[in-house]
Order: sequence, then C-alpha cells, then structure tokens
Amino acid sequence: GESVGLHLPTLSVQEGDNSIINCAYSNSASDYFIWYKQESGKGPQFIIDIRSNMDKRQGQRVTVLLNKTVKHLSLQIAATQPGDSAVYFCAEIDNTDKLIFGTGTRLQVFP
Amino acid sequence: EAGVVQSPRYKIIEKKQPVAFWCNPISGHNTLYWYRQNLGQGPELLIRYENEEAVDDSQLPKDRFSAERLKGVDSTLKIQPAELGDSAVYLCASSLGRGSNYGYTFGSGTRLTVV
Repeated sequence: GESVGLHLPTLSVQEGDNSIINCAYSNSASDYFIWYKQESGKGPQFIIDIRSNMDKRQGQRVTVLLNKTVKHLSLQIAATQPGDSAVYFCAEIDNTDKLIFGTGTRLQVFP
Repeated sequence: EAGVVQSPRYKIIEKKQPVAFWCNPISGHNTLYWYRQNLGQGPELLIRYENEEAVDDSQLPKDRFSAERLKGVDSTLKIQPAELGDSAVYLCASSLGRGSNYGYTFGSGTRLTVV
C-alpha cells in the first residue's frame, strides 16, 4: 500500500505494551489541540482532543496530556494493538481558527 | 453517511499538464478545506471556504493553483500547469463551522504524481 511518510520518527512497540507519542507545538495562543491517526492511503482520522484549560483528557484506551508551560502534547495508547499501527499527528487550532499539523510519528506494533 | 468523498484517488500526469481534483463534503458542512500533504509531512492548508466564499487562501500558490466552490457544496482544486514539485496527496476536509467547536472530517485524498 501507499506510505504516508518514509522518513518520519518511528516508535516501535510490542503488542499489549503502552505507547507514548510526543509532540511540541509552537503557538502559545493556540487553545485547542487534536491528535489524528493516519493509516496508509487514508486521510487523518480524529482520535482525541483537548482544550487549553485542561491538562489531561481520557478516551477509550487513549489519553492526551497537555503541558502548556513547555508547549508539549503527548498521546498515550494503552495496550497497543496491531490496528493502532499508523502515523500519528498532533494538530492545533491557532488564534485565526486555522488547523495546523505538527510532525508525524509512525507507530509500529509488533506481535 | 458517505463522509468526505474525493476523486480521483490517484492521478499521474506529465509536467506542464493541467489537473483537477474534486471534493464532495459531508452534507450540511459549510466549511471546506483543501490541504496538501507532502511525503513524510503533515497536511498544510491551501484554502478554506465558508460556503462559496474563499476566506483564507494565503497559502495557495495563485500563479498555478485555483479553486472554486460555486454553489457552496462540492469543490474543485486545479493546477495548471503542474510541476514536479506538486507531487503530493491533496486532502479535502469539511466541518459544520469554523474553529474548535466543530470537528473536521477528512477525505482519503488524491495522490498526484507529476512525471
């Protein structure tokens, strides 16, 4: 299939382990952040979001942490499964309501 | 619900030729976006529409790129003439409105290869 990206940072984890994907953002005025999952040949798919008035938000098997002091986001995936293999992007909505994507991370899950 | 529909899925053209991409957003979504995704990078916004009005086209290379959304529903993005550096995936997205109160839904994109 198609490759979303060939030279992305890669995180390799064993099935069942927890995964942590990190992201730095640049605009201190951004107040809304989103994690997207992109599988090969598909568009980005929403995973979880967080507003700047929160520092943690949990979903099903996923948790997003926001550290505004150092402008850092992380995505934690519990009990990683083969279906989680994809490229993950953080994104922010800036003060002009523009959705801006960060650098992606490729997650590879080994059995 | 069909989601955001894009066509074609793939396009291979020779440089200097024209090419057009089509997007049909989710029904009722007033805001439509075109993004370009180069290999190994995140998507970058080209143009944003609110209904039929282009409200942010600052990133669109206007010498060769054009877009339209005549009836405020589906949209086309055109490149004329295409250059080798235009090879990328062109993604369309839509949302009910603008900003963080509305979710964005992306299509599967059109992969353009210019040879």
